[in-house]
Amino acid sequence: QKEVEQDPGPLSVPEGAIVSLNCTYSNSAFQYFMWYRQYSRKGPELLMYTYSSGNKEDGRFTAQVDKSSKYISLFIRDSQPSDSATYLCAMSALDYKLSFGAGTTVTVRA
Amino acid sequence: DGGITQSPKYLFRKEGQNVTLSCEQNLNHDAMYWYRQDPGQGLRLIYYSQIVNDFQKGDIAEGYSVSREKKESFPLTVTSAQKNPTAFYLCASAAGGVYNEQFFGPGTRLTVL
Repeated sequence: QKEVEQDPGPLSVPEGAIVSLNCTYSNSAFQYFMWYRQYSRKGPELLMYTYSSGNKEDGRFTAQVDKSSKYISLFIRDSQPSDSATYLCAMSALDYKLSFGAGTTVTVRA
Repeated sequence: DGGITQSPKYLFRKEGQNVTLSCEQNLNHDAMYWYRQDPGQGLRLIYYSQIVNDFQKGDIAEGYSVSREKKESFPLTVTSAQKNPTAFYLCASAAGGVYNEQFFGPGTRLTVL
């Protein structure tokens, strides 16, 4: 079993829809949770990060962490074609290393 | 303009040859990382360095080597011992500390012919 599980998709939604992405993990030592966005043939860019359980909102993006269920989510409201990318979850046990999910490829149709 | 640069963007190598990928950062970050990305497998850690003149193996270090002689630079050599080197290679850096927010370069696509 992988330490971080993420459904690779692909996920296709119409413009304006809500995109829901999630990851599960097995390591209870993870305390810092991130979402990266990666456009095709580019390096990942940090989208959002949260520490421990709770919600964080940034514009159209909301990140949720439920440590009791070992489950994290990213929601994208009012999705745009420019949101089409691969989204990677990443987690840290505060030890200088990140563990990544496989990434979910999202396409927003105009 | 701060950031991480990787060169070249595309690299072709014949079997049996060693090749070195460049990674430079001007963010004054202490920590640097090398990852390999294959379709459907996410990012796998090859090597990382928390400080100059020190580095540690990641999850898939076999067939790779690194050096960290300068804070700004962390080159990766893919040796002929790496059995399946064709992949997308990503370099990242972080300021250090436990939160470890990593910032990535644009990547190098290596193809073995």
